[in-house]
Amino acid sequence: GEDVEQSLFLSVREGDSSVINCTYTDSSSTYLYWYKQEPGAGLQLLTYIFSNMDMKQDQRLTVLLNKKDKHLSLRIADTQTGDSAIYFCAEIAYNNNDMRFGAGTRLTVKP
Amino acid sequence: DGGITQSPKYLFRKEGQNVTLSCEQNLNHDAMYWYRQDPGQGLRLIYYSQIVNDFQKGDIAEGYSVSREKKESFPLTVTSAQKNPTAFYLCASSNSKNTDTQYFGPGTRLTVL
Repeated sequence: GEDVEQSLFLSVREGDSSVINCTYTDSSSTYLYWYKQEPGAGLQLLTYIFSNMDMKQDQRLTVLLNKKDKHLSLRIADTQTGDSAIYFCAEIAYNNNDMRFGAGTRLTVKP
Repeated sequence: DGGITQSPKYLFRKEGQNVTLSCEQNLNHDAMYWYRQDPGQGLRLIYYSQIVNDFQKGDIAEGYSVSREKKESFPLTVTSAQKNPTAFYLCASSNSKNTDTQYFGPGTRLTVL
């Protein structure tokens, strides 16, 4: 099947920028998502990007999409301790009900 | 407030027992989904339903069953046939279009004793 891959861990200092990377294999991916999961909680939609876009910015969040390399990234500016969580990359293809998730990147923000 | 609710938050089950997890949404979404999350892994799709009285198997449907008698409700039954049921279960919903964003409930952690 098609895969979505992320590195499992990222650690940054408070105030620094965090960059979480994701690669996917399905070239027919239409929407790509970033979800945040805090301990013991459900997934919270952070942002998403349509596949014909290169970049999307929303306050401290910047999503970059390189469709040629099938690479998606999430940049969090001025990372705070409250940003510590697991971040999931997900993709869905047009006319396909399957949303494919990466394994999640655990972001730890140190004071 | 609109949203998705799951209950209970924590559930304990003895081996050999069936158990049903609740998922309710008041977002007027047509589609609903059940995922299973294991440590260090992404979410895996168990079942999904695009419309009332219809549902489809996902990647790991064996040992699970669902029903969709009402638009707002999509309960998941974990049967005794599921070999490794201890996991975190997440329910989601979306509008009817296939590429619509999915919104998630808070999850139910099931532990088999």
